Amino acid sequence: NAGVTQTPKFRVLKTGQSMTLLCAQDMNHEYMYWYRQDPGMGLRLIHYSVGEGTTAKGEVPDGYNVSRLKKQNFLLGLESAAPSQTSVYFCASRTGGPSGNLYNEQFFGPGTRLTVL
Amino acid sequence: TQLLEQSPQFLSIQEGENLTVYCNSSSVFSSLQWYRQEPGEGPVLLVTVVTGGEVKKLKRLTFQFGDARKDSSLHITAAQPGDTGLYLCAGADSYNTDKLIFGTGTRLQVFP
Repeated sequence: NAGVTQTPKFRVLKTGQSMTLLCAQDMNHEYMYWYRQDPGMGLRLIHYSVGEGTTAKGEVPDGYNVSRLKKQNFLLGLESAAPSQTSVYFCASRTGGPSGNLYNEQFFGPGTRLTVL
Repeated sequence: TQLLEQSPQFLSIQEGENLTVYCNSSSVFSSLQWYRQEPGEGPVLLVTVVTGGEVKKLKRLTFQFGDARKDSSLHITAAQPGDTGLYLCAGADSYNTDKLIFGTGTRLQVFP
């Protein structure tokens, strides 16, 4: 039982390049999230999904796209990377339903450190 | 927009000392959580509080949810080096409980 995994762990991009970050979970969770973490700013929600085939914008969605074609996977894409997107990216998942919404325990992956030059 | 402010931002103490971290907002949250994050890893849930005035204890850690459900505190008794990490509070967005709003974080270092 691996929980939430993220690939890659590290990546360096040049401005204008594109890339996709992959998140996978094996807990059969309905909800999945992408956050970015910057010093002094906690975690900020980029996009999220409440089920296979659905996506929604979070707090800071500009410059990112996502897809949830399979329940266990949530992809985060950067079409044209900018230095402002240098950050650590975390994926998380949780169960849905009334209990899931109230207790809202999110399980996080280990993160992807992205540097855009 | 609901915001959560944590204080202090940094805390550096000696082993055995007590400390309190605060998480404050002007908004009401339906529940509030505390996570701990160690370097190179994702946050891990410590506790969830859902009722105003609720107090939960986890060994040397005591968590309290404010009566009005706008604030929370985390108190650590006799801190140990293993408590070192980034502590994050997170509230369930009252307008959309699908989402969590994270606080700004408190970085704690406990020296032996």
